[in-house]
This record gives sequence, C-alpha cells and structure tokens, in this order.
Amino acid sequence: GQQLNQSPQSMFIQEGEDVSMNCTSSSIFNTWLWYKQDPGEGPVLLIALYKAGELTSNGRLTAQFGITRKDSFLNISASIPSDVGIYFCAGAVSGSARQLTFGSGTQLTVLP
Amino acid sequence: EAGVTQFPSHSVIEKGQTVTLRCDPISGHDNLYWYRRVMGKEIKFLLHFVKESKQDESGMPNNRFLAERTGGTYSTLKVQPAELEDSGVYFCASSLSWSRAGLRRTGELFFGEGSRLTVL
Repeated sequence: GQQLNQSPQSMFIQEGEDVSMNCTSSSIFNTWLWYKQDPGEGPVLLIALYKAGELTSNGRLTAQFGITRKDSFLNISASIPSDVGIYFCAGAVSGSARQLTFGSGTQLTVLP
Repeated sequence: EAGVTQFPSHSVIEKGQTVTLRCDPISGHDNLYWYRRVMGKEIKFLLHFVKESKQDESGMPNNRFLAERTGGTYSTLKVQPAELEDSGVYFCASSLSWSRAGLRRTGELFFGEGSRLTVL
C-alpha cells in the first residue's frame, strides 16, 4: 500500500522560532493535506493543497504541494505555545474512495 | 452545529473480551470513515461508509472487526474477540458527499476526538 514518510518524528523548539516539517512518498498523490491534533482531540484540517506546486498560507502556517506530487512541507513561523500538538500530513488520490493515507505525525513541543 | 462524537472516550478490556465503539457523524454527512492510530504510528484507514453502504473496507485488519451503519446515521465498530494488538485510538470522521462538497473539498474530513482502546 501507499506510505508517507513524515519527518521529523518530534521537535522541541523555543517560542518564536520557525518550524519546518515534511512528508515524502514513493507514490503520487493528487491532494496533500495537513492536520493538527491537539491533546485529547481529533485531528483538525489546517491546510489543503490540490495542485502540484501550490503554495498556500493560513496565518502563520505555509504549506506547499511538491512539483513531483510526491512530497509536501509545512512551515510554521514565529511559533507560540498553542502550536503544541501532533501534525499529520495526509495524501489522497482522486478517483479513489477518498480514503486518506496519513504520515506517522510530528510531535511539536514549544518551550517558553 | 455538533461535531463528530465518539463513545466511549476510553475503554480498557481484557484480551478475548468484546468492545463496541460508537460514532455519531455530523448531521447531513453521508460519508463516514473509521481510522485507527496505534501508538506512535500513522493514522490508518479502516473503512468508509456512504450512507449505510460499505464503500471500502480494505483497511479492516481481520474478521474480528465488524462495522455497521444502520440507517445511514450513526456507526458502530465492534471488536470481538479483542487482542493485544488492537490497542490504539480509533477515530471516526465524516464528510459531505462528493457532489455536495466538490472536488476541492475532498480532504475535509471532520474527526471525532477518538476512542482509546486498551487491551490488557
């Protein structure tokens, strides 16, 4: 089956620093998504990317859909304490049953 | 508008016992999904309902898992008999129908808080 390699697995950063995480795959995806899971909550969609090369921002978050369709990155600028959580990338192949393939997550800790 | 709700939030059972997890999707969402995350690993697809029909159950681990969605509303996921490796967080998600959501909203799944299952 399709797999996504997400890195890093965990990050410890100082408040105010920028963060970058990425996902790569050996398969092509037509949609890339980034979710965030807060402690005790379910994943919530942050950014959706539908076109190769697309660069999309949502506040301090910026994500890009790789040109090869096999990778995506998420950047968080000027991190704040509430950025703490697990970030998941996910890919979808159009025309399928719309099931998502998720990465293993990046656990982000923001130190004051 | 109420979100996706799941029950129970945490269940601790012994190997060999039965557990039933319930999911109430967002009202009007035809698509209902079950996913599972085993500790530290990726969130894995289990199955997908469109209304009351199973659209794709290719992710179900084995025949100890049974999912139903009677009447196309809430769904249940039963594990019988439970094994140690079934421990994890079971997420339910729902989304609008493809035609109502449109191509650009394919990925807009709304997740519940998850049901944590611990099998001892």
